[in-house]
Amino acid sequence: QVQLVESGGGVVQPGRSLRLSCAASGFAFSRYAMHWVRQSPGKGLEWVTLTSYDESDRQYADSVKGRFTISRDNVKNTLFLEMNSLTTEDTAVYYCARDGDYCTSGRCYLDHWGQGTPVTVSS
Amino acid sequence: EIVLTQSPATLSLSPGDRATLSCRASQSVANYLAWYQQKPGQAPRLLIYGASNRATGVPARFSGSGSGTDFTLTISSLEPEDFAVYFCQQRSSSWTFGQGTKVEI
Repeated sequence: QVQLVESGGGVVQPGRSLRLSCAASGFAFSRYAMHWVRQSPGKGLEWVTLTSYDESDRQYADSVKGRFTISRDNVKNTLFLEMNSLTTEDTAVYYCARDGDYCTSGRCYLDHWGQGTPVTVSS
Repeated sequence: EIVLTQSPATLSLSPGDRATLSCRASQSVANYLAWYQQKPGQAPRLLIYGASNRATGVPARFSGSGSGTDFTLTISSLEPEDFAVYFCQQRSSSWTFGQGTKVEI
């Protein structure tokens, strides 16, 4: 079955960097676009970034543009999120999610999610 | 950016009750809307996509309706496992989520 397992979260000081990973299994990873979505403590969900299956299309939320970079390794079936210049506003649980098989008019929805990895930005 | 506003913030109901959750978009999203369920400590689960289509394995008591700017998620008869937080999400322009509705006992 589809599995997404995030790792790399932790406590980091403001201004520092962190790299998250998401190991995918149980499906043809190289055929799917993938997202990162975050959830701040006690708050709602915020879409962060998307990469197409081949990285030709990468999109970012305004809140992270220029600081975060999404990438993927289709040989190792792994998704990455490089986060630089972190601020306390970036504190959240970070989920990777598949842009999945449920689509309408070519627009697809997030059908599988990992369990998330927590990131705390604090001095 | 398209803003999604969910109401109410909290819905206090009993098992067997009918739940009606609302999601309003700041501009038309056509039918590019999904609903997710999230339980404590778990990742969100896709329930409804394209405003009214159930994902595989989602019980028939869950239904979605609406188009344009006004959408509704209805749970016809609440089961104990349905008490959770529900988020709407639009896919018309980029991706945004509503702030969630908590369905509590």
